[in-house]
Amino acid sequence: AQKITQTQPGMFVQEKEAVTLDCTYDTSDQSYGLFWYKQPSSGEMIFLIYQGSYDEQNATEGRYSLNFQKARKSANLVISASQLGDSAMYFCAMRERVDSSYKLIFGSGTRLLVRP
Amino acid sequence: EAGVTQFPSHSVIEKGQTVTLRCDPISGHDNLYWYRRVMGKEIKFLLHFVKESKQDESGMPNNRFLAERTGGTYSTLKVQPAELEDSGVYFCASSQTRVVNTEAFFGQGTRLTVV
Repeated sequence: AQKITQTQPGMFVQEKEAVTLDCTYDTSDQSYGLFWYKQPSSGEMIFLIYQGSYDEQNATEGRYSLNFQKARKSANLVISASQLGDSAMYFCAMRERVDSSYKLIFGSGTRLLVRP
Repeated sequence: EAGVTQFPSHSVIEKGQTVTLRCDPISGHDNLYWYRRVMGKEIKFLLHFVKESKQDESGMPNNRFLAERTGGTYSTLKVQPAELEDSGVYFCASSQTRVVNTEAFFGQGTRLTVV
């Protein structure tokens, strides 16, 4: 079965600095997708970034980048120039295929607090 | 374009009562998913609709949970009778296709508290 592991329950970062949120995964599939979602205190889940298993380049979306190391099965999220509004829960997820259906498998999340 | 909307945002009910959660997906999205996060634990998959058909309901905890999507538009998730362990945040998500790199758009969730 596929599994996502986020080993950092909580992280602090100083405003304007960069921070890396760790994510490792386990799968026997050759084709898979990795996602990061942000959950602010308001509760909604906001899609941040996607990395496909066959993508040769690391995904980037504005201040977000995904450090994808396929051999090590890691997909760490890097947030550059942290802002106070980045304080939130961050979830790493993998899309699992079961027959003709897809579903997301989530990690336990990392709570990020940005200090002014 | 409206996002995924869920009703209610919060619900507090007594053990043994019935609660119905509603999800309106993004218009045109055939795929609709329900997930749940119990306090302090991972977000867990409950089930997946493609239009009005249940594609995968392997994550439904037990037969106290009933999900429907009549007409392939909005979906409801009914818990009857509710138990204390059903407390958590219930998320709905929708996506346009089942392609592996298509992100799912989530609603703001319904926080259910069973007392």
